[in-house]
Amino acid sequence: GAGVSQSPSNKVTEKGKDVELRCDPISGHTALYWYRQSLGQGLEFLIYFQGNSAPDKSGLPSDRFSAERTGGSVSTLTIQRTQQEDSAVYLCASSYGLAGGGGTQYFGPGTRLTVL
Amino acid sequence: GIQVEQSPPDLILQEGANSTLRCNFSDSVNNLQWFHQNPWGQLINLFYIPSGTKQNGRLSATTVATERYSLLYISSSQTTDSGVYFCAVVIQGAQKLVFGQGTRLTINP
Repeated sequence: GAGVSQSPSNKVTEKGKDVELRCDPISGHTALYWYRQSLGQGLEFLIYFQGNSAPDKSGLPSDRFSAERTGGSVSTLTIQRTQQEDSAVYLCASSYGLAGGGGTQYFGPGTRLTVL
Repeated sequence: GIQVEQSPPDLILQEGANSTLRCNFSDSVNNLQWFHQNPWGQLINLFYIPSGTKQNGRLSATTVATERYSLLYISSSQTTDSGVYFCAVVIQGAQKLVFGQGTRLTINP
């Protein structure tokens, strides 16, 4: 595709429910990243995937958060037992090659999650 | 961890004015990107500039890696330039982008 796409664009859920957020990276990009943007914390890294290597999960805030990437392309971020502090915009990015090796990250439009 | 500081936090200008946004970082970096977040929340890539100078139309950027800062210049501002500008870096040995807190730019007609 022309850019990174994410779905849904908006998600409203009740506290305690599970949610799944989807990211389709730019075709051919080998690295995929999840970030979130919240009022109090700014933009913060969650997790990244590179090819078949084990993902770097160092930014996940709790064990309620998990992510997978199937077939080296589409990724799903799952939040279990959502809490109000999970409300944020979740952003996905992809790059051709790793950011530390000079790969420019391109961002999707984000999913706005609201936990009531 | 690395600190990324942007200044000023807010900037209000009249259409046609020029502006300079600054990004200071506390460690050596492999990657530095400037983004514009538009009113709809989309992060638009402006520059990939770990060092040197680049220009794209009315925008240009300079990074002095040895002194750990980067500057974004906007000339002849337009109302569509309004939004939040973020600087983000990747420290050596890492892969994740670390973002500054942003500069909110408002261009009045």
